[in-house]
Amino acid sequence: SYELTQPPSVSVSPGQTARITCSGDALPKQYAYWYQQKPGQAPVMLIYKDRERPSGIPERFSGSSSGTTVTLTISGVQAEDEADYYCQSADISGTYVFGTGTKVTVL
Amino acid sequence: DVQLVESGGGLVQSGGSLRLSCVASGFTFSDYAMNWVRQAPGKGLEWISYISSSTTTTFYTDSVKGRFTISRDNAKNSLYLQMNSLRAEDTAVYYCARDRNIPGGRIPFDYWGQGTLVTVSS
Repeated sequence: SYELTQPPSVSVSPGQTARITCSGDALPKQYAYWYQQKPGQAPVMLIYKDRERPSGIPERFSGSSSGTTVTLTISGVQAEDEADYYCQSADISGTYVFGTGTKVTVL
Repeated sequence: DVQLVESGGGLVQSGGSLRLSCVASGFTFSDYAMNWVRQAPGKGLEWISYISSSTTTTFYTDSVKGRFTISRDNAKNSLYLQMNSLRAEDTAVYYCARDRNIPGGRIPFDYWGQGTLVTVSS
């Protein structure tokens, strides 16, 4: 089955930049989406269609795409950004798939 | 404001059944496709089912095909998930999530409910 691979964890100091990658063979042909999930809460959409930001999402969150890898960048990380982050896309048939998830720790 | 409120979770024995509900408000429910996504304790997110706005199209992940049925009642602004032949590995928080239609496609999971916990005891 199709998989989207993320690093299990990323650690970053406040004010620095965190980059979370997501790799999948179908990413050149399917859009990617990013979600943030804090403990005990539902996920929240951060990025859609690779790089678009929904209203209300801070500008420090941005998305990019290159080949089979998409990247979520958090610029000027804040303590409140400590959370789990998931990429999401679809396989070639359009079936939704989530990435393995990345835990971001703010040092 | 968009709101999605799930209910119906609980403790059930292996082999049993459960029906989850998700009540929507703050938007025209009949215009949007909907999904169920689950998250096992300490694990990642897993999409399990989709239903189109008009109910004509449904999809399931392989692990629940033949056991789970997604449905909706647009008159009641409600989404359902009938879960039969439950297994221990179905233990998870179940979220309903909306798909937003855009020209040329849709944006998945733009709003989520808070989830309902299903525990299957073996």
